[in-house]
Amino acid sequence: QKEVEQDPGPLSVPEGAIVSLNCTYSNSAFQYFMWYRQYSRKGPELLMYTYSSGNKEDGRFTAQVDKSSKYISLFIRDSQPSDSATYLCAMMRGNNRLAFGKGNQVVVIP
Amino acid sequence: DAGVIQSPRHEVTEMGQEVTLRCKPISGHDSLFWYRQTMMRGLELLIYFNNNVPIDDSGMPEDRFSAKMPNASFSTLKIQPSEPRDSAVYFCASTEGSGNTIYFGEGSWLTVV
Repeated sequence: QKEVEQDPGPLSVPEGAIVSLNCTYSNSAFQYFMWYRQYSRKGPELLMYTYSSGNKEDGRFTAQVDKSSKYISLFIRDSQPSDSATYLCAMMRGNNRLAFGKGNQVVVIP
Repeated sequence: DAGVIQSPRHEVTEMGQEVTLRCKPISGHDSLFWYRQTMMRGLELLIYFNNNVPIDDSGMPEDRFSAKMPNASFSTLKIQPSEPRDSAVYFCASTEGSGNTIYFGEGSWLTVV
């Protein structure tokens, strides 16, 4: 079993819809949970960073962590065409070693 | 800041040739990472340096791969000899301290034919 599981299926949504992405993990030692956004032919860039269970909001983005279920989510409200990208979940044990999910390609259709 | 700088951005080479990828981390960052991204396996950590010293190279696929960090501002990833299955995007990333934001470069797109 991989440490981080992210169903890599593509997702197409109409502009304005809510995008919901999630990952599960198996290693309870993970302490830091992140979502990276990767535009086509670019490197990943950090979008959201959380440390504890619960919700964290940043504008239209909400990251949710449930450590008891080993489950994290990312919600994008009022999605825009500029949100079209691949979204990767990532987790770290505090030793700078990031474990990534495979990513979800999101397309927001105008 | 200019961010993490990688070169070359694109490389097409023939099987058996040596490939050298280069990285300049963000100034002041003490940790440097090399990642490989493929459709099949996603992003995989190849090697991690801290203060120019390799800390974890368990992700390096085989002896054909080697990485060096001669100083705080430069690192190389070398593949010799290259094979078609090495075709991937190779990312360099850096960070300061531990548990902080890791910044990625724009990647080196390698095609081995």
